[in-house]
Amino acid sequence: KAGVTQTPRYLIKTRGQQVTLSCSPISGHRSVSWYQQTPGQGLQFLFEYFSETQRNKGNFPGRFSGRQFSNSRSEMNVSTLELGDSALYLCASSLGTGVIADTQYFGPGTRLTVL
Amino acid sequence: GDSVTQMEGPVTLSEEACLTINCTYTATGYPSLFWYVQYPGEGLQLLLKATKADDKGSNKGFEATYRKETTSFHLEKGSVQVSDSAVYFCALRYGGATNKLIFGTGTLLAVQP
Repeated sequence: KAGVTQTPRYLIKTRGQQVTLSCSPISGHRSVSWYQQTPGQGLQFLFEYFSETQRNKGNFPGRFSGRQFSNSRSEMNVSTLELGDSALYLCASSLGTGVIADTQYFGPGTRLTVL
Repeated sequence: GDSVTQMEGPVTLSEEACLTINCTYTATGYPSLFWYVQYPGEGLQLLLKATKADDKGSNKGFEATYRKETTSFHLEKGSVQVSDSAVYFCALRYGGATNKLIFGTGTLLAVQP
């Protein structure tokens, strides 16, 4: 079974631009979560989508948004990029059943650099 | 609020040494506990998990036991290899209407031949 895929793997943008990252979950998984990883703040939860609905949201400004499509693929968008948005963005998928044993599987991440 | 605390790294060991990475948590309920590993330039891989008190998770020679009385989930391995060099993250998650994982800060393990 194919794992979680993220595209692109690397991205360079300048301040003020916007960016869209894509995540394809494992087949059959309906929940997709996004995390930001930086050296200073570590791994922080951005948001989670399940069946095209945002189920949970972390403490990030409104410049960070996301969506999920009917095939469970997800995109996240960051508008008006700032230098501090430089990070590794990780996507994770799971069945989303709500069962406590449900496990999240991570993709390789998208490395975003803002100049 | 809920949180996870890991021992500071880096941890530097010689091959075949014993490993312990401490992890304690603060939680209002009864979460599942996880260890994830991140190799250089890669995403996170699930190493092991435990979903209730006294459960022991194990994989690839690593073990961790969910200790509710001490709110701990320490990662152990009897004999480390150079290939175990990576960053290890402890995390917790509740079931129900959220999949949100709360991570510790990560512990870098460097194993020398």
